[in-house]
Amino acid sequence: EAGVAQSPRYKIIEKRQSVAFWCNPISGHATLYWYQQILGQGPKLLIQFQNNGVVDDSQLPKDRFSAERLKGVDSTLKIQPAKLEDSAVYLCASSYNEKLFFGSGTQLSVL
Amino acid sequence: GQQLNQSPQSMFIQEGEDVSMNCTSSSIFNTWLWYKQEPGEGPVLLIALYKAGELTSNGRLTAQFGITRKDSFLNISASIPSDVGIYFCAAKAAGNKLTFGGGTRVLVKP
Repeated sequence: EAGVAQSPRYKIIEKRQSVAFWCNPISGHATLYWYQQILGQGPKLLIQFQNNGVVDDSQLPKDRFSAERLKGVDSTLKIQPAKLEDSAVYLCASSYNEKLFFGSGTQLSVL
Repeated sequence: GQQLNQSPQSMFIQEGEDVSMNCTSSSIFNTWLWYKQEPGEGPVLLIALYKAGELTSNGRLTAQFGITRKDSFLNISASIPSDVGIYFCAAKAAGNKLTFGGGTRVLVKP
């Protein structure tokens, strides 16, 4: 069974630039998550989708972060404009029966 | 908000040793999950626990859902070098989001 696919694996940008990450969840998983993982910390939820609707975006910095899952399958997460403190690994996950399965993540470096 | 306190923050293992780590909280949870993360990869699910008192094994790994529903532990028996990595606990209450602990970094004794 194919896992959660994410791209790109790495991204380096300058502050104030914009960046987008893509995620394709495990087939049939209705729930999709975006997490931010800062070096040395556990993942922190940014946004949770159920099909194409947002369930929880309480920790998403909405002035600069946006996410969409238009057809209830793939999702994109965008940061515009990026700040230095956005440097982190952005993990996408999808779930079945309360079990979350993660992709390999996108490592973002903001210079 | 809900917070998970994971300990120890780091530990050294010697091949063949049994090791243990735990996760505690002041909140009550319905689900506990244990993950392992290696460099450059996302967390990989090791064990899922759904009932208070539940004890579940996955190979050399054993995890328990605490009776109070506020804690969980993970044991690794007869550790091997490939057990190195960061282990995260995660827990969820009904209708709430999954919260992660800060991780236990497992390293090999020099």
